[in-house]
Amino acid sequence: GAGVSQSPSNKVTEKGKDVELRCDPISGHTALYWYRQSLGQGLEFLIYFQGNSAPDKSGLPSDRFSAERTGGSVSTLTIQRTQQEDSAVYLCASSLVGGAKNIQYFGAGTRLSVL
Amino acid sequence: GIQVEQSPPDLILQEGANSTLRCNFSDSVNNLQWFHQNPWGQLINLFYIPSGTKQNGRLSATTVATERYSLLYISSSQTTDSGVYFCQAGTALIFGKGTTLSVSS
Repeated sequence: GAGVSQSPSNKVTEKGKDVELRCDPISGHTALYWYRQSLGQGLEFLIYFQGNSAPDKSGLPSDRFSAERTGGSVSTLTIQRTQQEDSAVYLCASSLVGGAKNIQYFGAGTRLSVL
Repeated sequence: GIQVEQSPPDLILQEGANSTLRCNFSDSVNNLQWFHQNPWGQLINLFYIPSGTKQNGRLSATTVATERYSLLYISSSQTTDSGVYFCQAGTALIFGKGTTLSVSS
């Protein structure tokens, strides 16, 4: 597609349920990033995928959070046993890699509400 | 880890005014990007600028890596410039808390 696509745009779930958020990056972009944005914490890095390298998971807040990227393209962020503090907008970005190619292009985000 | 601080936190301008936003970072970086988040939440990259100066229309940015700061200049501001401006620094992809800009006509 022309840009980074995220789905769903909104997700309401009950505390304790698992959720999956999807990101479809720009075609040809080898790097993919997940962030979350909440009022209290601002914009936080979660995880970074680059090609076939092991992902940088240093930003994942707990072991309830995991992500995978299949075939070097689409990525899924999974949150298990959701908690109310997981409520946030989850943003995905993609980029090429190398100097100025690192410019990140963001999707519109998934707004997650945990009741 | 690296600390990223932005100032001012809020800025209110009349249309046509100029402004300077600042981003300080606590360690040397090979990644420094400026983003604009519009009132609908969409984040748009403005500049990738780990050092030097770049210009794009009414916007320009300068990063002085040795002194660990970056400046974003907005000239002749327009209402469409409203939103939050973020800088992101370092390989740890740390964002500052942003500057909220409101431009009124």
